Parts: sequence; C-alpha cells; structure tokens
Amino acid sequence: TQLLEQSPQFLSIQEGENLTVYCNSSSVFSSLQWYRQEPGEGPVLLVTVVTGGEVKKLKRLTFQFGDARKDSSLHITAAQPGDTGLYLCAGPQVSNSGYALNFGKGTSLLVTP
Amino acid sequence: EADIYQTPRYLVIGTGKKITLECSQTMGHDKMYWYQQDPGMELHLIHYSYGVNSTEKGDLSSESTVSRIRTEHFPLTLESARPSHTSQYLCASSEGTSGGFEQFFGPGTRLTVL
Repeated sequence: TQLLEQSPQFLSIQEGENLTVYCNSSSVFSSLQWYRQEPGEGPVLLVTVVTGGEVKKLKRLTFQFGDARKDSSLHITAAQPGDTGLYLCAGPQVSNSGYALNFGKGTSLLVTP
Repeated sequence: EADIYQTPRYLVIGTGKKITLECSQTMGHDKMYWYQQDPGMELHLIHYSYGVNSTEKGDLSSESTVSRIRTEHFPLTLESARPSHTSQYLCASSEGTSGGFEQFFGPGTRLTVL
C-alpha cells in the first residue's frame, strides 16, 4: 500500500488567516486528489492534480503537485468559517483493486470567526 | 452534484443482528466501493465492484459481504453484527476509465453495535 502522510493533523486558526497543509509520500503517484469532508457527510472532491509541478486554483484554494509527483500541498488564503472540515488527499492504488484510492488520515481544519 | 445515496444514515443495533447497508447511485457508474472510516484514521477500502456480478474484497479485512445485481445498487451486509463493527461506512462510485479516478461519495452510514 502506498502511504500518504498528511500534516498537520489538526489546525485551528482565525478567520482571515492563511494556511498550508501537506500531503507527502515516498511513492510516485500518477495523480493526486484533494477532498473535503464535513461532519456527518462523505468526502467531496475539490481538485485532481495530474502533472508534476502543476498548480490549480479554486477561488481562495491553491493546490500544487510536486515536481516528482510524490507530494502535494493545499494553501488557503484568508480562511473563512465555511472552510472548516477534514481535508483528505488521495491517490490511485497500484494493486489488484485497480481504481480504488489510498487516502491519507487528513488534516482537520477549524476556522473560528 | 453527485447522486449517490446511503440508507440508513444512522443505525444502532444489538450484537448478533443481521444488517444491510444500502447504497444506490443514479450516475450509471460501473465502479463502486465501500470504505470504512474511523475517527482520526484513513478511509480503508473493504469492498469494490467493477460492474454487475463483479465483487472483490479490499485491503482491509471485513466480515461483511456485498452484492452487485444491478449497476445502480451495491448493498453491504453483516450477517451477525459485533461491537467491533462499529464505524462509519462510506459508499462511493466512479466512472470507467477516468484518468484521475475521481470518486463520488455518499453521506455515509454511522453504525453502532451495542
């Protein structure tokens, strides 16, 4: 199993602050995905990064895929309480389960007003 | 907006009961998955299906079983529930050959076995 390590595990910040969370692996991934999961709900896909060095922006969220395709980061500018949730990175498994995903443990973000 | 549904959302049952967690999707996806999620832990794949009459066990050993008789329906069954089965169960689906393997998740079933 290709492990994905996410850091920090927990993050509590005030509204308006900037933050970056990380997703690292010793394995190369063909792509990485970022999901956000709110309490009591399933994860929702935010973005997929495919090319090494790729940067994608989604409003105040900026996603980057490392040049070697072993790591990714998510940067949030001017965080808002609506950004609160569990941020998960995931990459396709290289195993008999074909199209299934490996998930990191996630970063739990709390943004207070 | 993904159209994948899970019922029940919450279930509290006694040890030894047989339960079925329902999962349905209206997107026509061939591939469906069941994950187990505990607080502070990764989502672990317990079952997957590539299409009708195709089911496989995932990486995490599970005493549950699944069936895929219709494309849109992928129920998970526990013949005799135990407290160790207490967890959040998430169902997901994806398109056939999507390069990014994007998955769409249902809201989950929170199972508590007393």
